[in-house]
Amino acid sequence: NAGVTQTPKFQVLKTGQSMTLQCAQDMNHNSMYWYRQDPGMGLRLIYYSASEGTTDKGEVPNGYNVSRLNKREFSLRLESAAPSQTSVYFCASSEAPLGYNEQFFGPGTRLTVL
Amino acid sequence: RKEVEQDPGPFNVPEGATVAFNCTYSNSASQSFFWYRQDCRKEPKLLMSVYSSGNEDGRFTAQLNRASQYISLLIRDSKLSDSATYLCVVNVERGNQFYFGTGTSLTVIP
Repeated sequence: NAGVTQTPKFQVLKTGQSMTLQCAQDMNHNSMYWYRQDPGMGLRLIYYSASEGTTDKGEVPNGYNVSRLNKREFSLRLESAAPSQTSVYFCASSEAPLGYNEQFFGPGTRLTVL
Repeated sequence: RKEVEQDPGPFNVPEGATVAFNCTYSNSASQSFFWYRQDCRKEPKLLMSVYSSGNEDGRFTAQLNRASQYISLLIRDSKLSDSATYLCVVNVERGNQFYFGTGTSLTVIP
């Protein structure tokens, strides 16, 4: 099992460019999440999908869109990248959204917006 | 006010020492609590869940104090391999969200 995979691992964009971060999990989990991690800020939830077919905003959704393509895949799109979106992006999955459910994280995407 | 607050450290301790981290949370409706470990430039991984009665896993002990709204992590007999950042995580039913602390950095020195 690969667990949670993310592509790409690194990306440099210019301001205004768009891109999609891909995430896939092979653990048959219902819930998936996108976080960003910035120095001194901890991980902050961007969007999550409690189950296939549903998505909800997290703490910092502005400037992002998501698609839960199927149970395995959850993508994050930046329509018009800004320098403030320079960050490390982590995708995660869990069996269910609530309770004592471990979240499994992907290796992260390091994004720089110039 | 942040949902979860942690002392960022760094904590530098010698091998074999005992070290404790605390984490406070602001929402009394918080339901579940975790400690994650994150190595440098790697993804977070679950260290242990924190139960109301407290729980222990080898050298690691986690405690929850709902009245004072804090959780703690105690590491006994520190090993070099314990060097990492430890993240406190709280789940609040409202919005089904997990809130992460900024992490506490630990370095175990030979």
